[in-house]
Amino acid sequence: DGGITQSPKYLFRKEGQNVTLSCEQNLNHDAMYWYRQDPGQGLRLIYYSQIVNDFQKGDIAEGYSVSREKKESFPLTVTSAQKNPTAFYLCASSIDRYRGHPTDTQYFGPGTRLTVL
Amino acid sequence: QKEVEQDPGPLSVPEGAIVSLNCTYSNSAFQYFMWYRQYSRKGPELLMYTYSSGNKEDGRFTAQVDKSSKYISLFIRDSQPSDSATYLCAMSAGGGTSYGKLTFGQGTILTVHP
Repeated sequence: DGGITQSPKYLFRKEGQNVTLSCEQNLNHDAMYWYRQDPGQGLRLIYYSQIVNDFQKGDIAEGYSVSREKKESFPLTVTSAQKNPTAFYLCASSIDRYRGHPTDTQYFGPGTRLTVL
Repeated sequence: QKEVEQDPGPLSVPEGAIVSLNCTYSNSAFQYFMWYRQYSRKGPELLMYTYSSGNKEDGRFTAQVDKSSKYISLFIRDSQPSDSATYLCAMSAGGGTSYGKLTFGQGTILTVHP
């Protein structure tokens, strides 16, 4: 089955801890994204990556870090600098449109719910 | 002012009703428009995708885009309890420095009761 997997489904963090959320895709997509979803606020972009070893900050990157060492993987680290990390985190991927696919359509994983204790 | 505005609802309708969901936006560069459906505690799934102005129909779902008014709509005919979910509009300018960046509305919570 092709798709996007995120783990863990639920994650609890203590104050001052860094935690890493996993995102893997086997869709052969070039671009990957991380979003944060809070009640009543829709999805907000944290980081995105169009190609391996390259990534850009989104609208709310402060307190987060990412890496893109493999095409299939785009892990997100929530650092202790993120003051309000409790949220639902969503990973997405999309085909690179510059290879002839005329779409920005993004496909989402099932999400990770992070709670700070 | 947010770039994309969406009435969060909640919206409650009886089974079989026609549902209208709407978003307005302020960025005239947006040209790709999407509707996602998100069930509780799940990731969003793409429901409809349109490029530029016009209508697109897929079964019970119709997406409309009016770029002159900066207004998009999703209509659901013969609504079913299984349509109960949060509906998110999303849009993108595509290409260039905004490549791949989607801007989402807040989402509308829809409940269809039997």
